[in-house]
Amino acid sequence: QVQLQQWGAGLLKPSETLSLTCAVDGGSFSDYYWTWIRQSPGKGLEWIGDINHSGSTNYNPSLNSRVSISVDTSKNHFSLSLSSVTAADTAVYFCARGTQGRDRVFEGHVVIYYYYYMDVWGKGTTVTVSS
Amino acid sequence: SSELTQDPVVSVALGQTVRITCQGDYLRRYYASWYQQKPGQAPILVIYNKNKRPAGIPDRFSGSRSGNTASLTITGAQADDEADYYCMSRDSTGNQRGLLGGGTRLTVL
Repeated sequence: QVQLQQWGAGLLKPSETLSLTCAVDGGSFSDYYWTWIRQSPGKGLEWIGDINHSGSTNYNPSLNSRVSISVDTSKNHFSLSLSSVTAADTAVYFCARGTQGRDRVFEGHVVIYYYYYMDVWGKGTTVTVSS
Repeated sequence: SSELTQDPVVSVALGQTVRITCQGDYLRRYYASWYQQKPGQAPILVIYNKNKRPAGIPDRFSGSRSGNTASLTITGAQADDEADYYCMSRDSTGNQRGLLGGGTRLTVL
């Protein structure tokens, strides 16, 4: 059974860089999108970005200039870096395993639908930004 | 604002059926996935690939879609189903960003 173990600094000062790492324990490291999602206190989930095993990344445009996700396939780890943090970055940060693919459906003619889901999640790391 | 729109609050009587919806143009090409989150816990996947359930998810949870709307239905809601529910999709244009709905808080009366 695949598990995600995550860690990183939980208390930062404004302008510092947030760094979190997620280790994939069990299962394949290929064929998935390794994802970071966060949740501010009392708020909903926010997708931060993802990376595949070859290092191709996608980022939330609202964080694009500050965020970087990297992967270390030798250790089955992936990491999040978020620079110049402010109090607005205070949140619980989750790592997750993403799967994406496509489905061919006949609806009078063949239609391609896509699917995308997170089936394994880390427990979350609370990060607080405070001076 | 979220590009996937969910009703913030929904309630259901114990044992009754409830539908939680998620609307967005990207859902015309992407199946929504659905997540249940209880306070202080990580989300868990309850529906994926339109209407598949991971192992361990009760069969009272089901998914459907029509046009730009995806739905999560709980048939015979239990007290344990009280939680926040989120839908997820992906941008189907050139930007492959993930998209999350604002969440629906389900109360079981």
